[in-house]
Amino acid sequence: DTGVSQDPRHKITKRGQNVTFRCDPISEHNRLYWYRQTLGQGPEFLTYFQNEAQLEKSRLLSDRFSAERPKGSFSTLEIQRTEQGDSAMYLCASSINRDSEQYFGPGTRLTVT
Amino acid sequence: EDKVVQSPLSLVVHEGDTVTLNCSYEVTNFRSLLWYKQEKKAPTFLFMLTSSGIEKKSGRLSSILDKKELFSILNITATQTGDSAIYLCATEGGSEKLVFGKGMKLTVNP
Repeated sequence: DTGVSQDPRHKITKRGQNVTFRCDPISEHNRLYWYRQTLGQGPEFLTYFQNEAQLEKSRLLSDRFSAERPKGSFSTLEIQRTEQGDSAMYLCASSINRDSEQYFGPGTRLTVT
Repeated sequence: EDKVVQSPLSLVVHEGDTVTLNCSYEVTNFRSLLWYKQEKKAPTFLFMLTSSGIEKKSGRLSSILDKKELFSILNITATQTGDSAIYLCATEGGSEKLVFGKGMKLTVNP
């Protein structure tokens, strides 16, 4: 399968714990995006990378959230000191360049208890 | 702030019906409008529209964009139960990120 992959698919954690998600984009896609989706809503933009450079962060992304794409390939999204409000589906997408369609991975469903 | 509004938010039809999904938008420096289908997992890409009046078609699905009136429609003809899903409309503007609507839940009954 050469699509976008995400790991883990599901994560249950206790409030206050740190979690890290991984996204592997489609090979040779330069752009990588992170979105968050809650029930009944469309995905909301969190941040994106052009190669290894993080170009924009949403104001939704508090200082507890950090994302990296160290070698311009896979990316990680870390949430520190998780809160119940962080429970959501975290989606990763990639595209070849700016004006190309974005392809989404299967998502990581986070539940904070 | 960029905004995307979809209507209706839910629709129940019978197999064989034709449905029209609406998406209106307000975007600074509009670049494209995209439609996705979401079935309990990640959104799957359907269409990307950048020019007014040019219909994009894939099987029973088609879509068109009106950049003057700032809307797009997605048509599904001869609906099947497998078309049951949430349909998402998104736009990309000068901010270089996708802004999504809330989605339209389509249920196709046999």
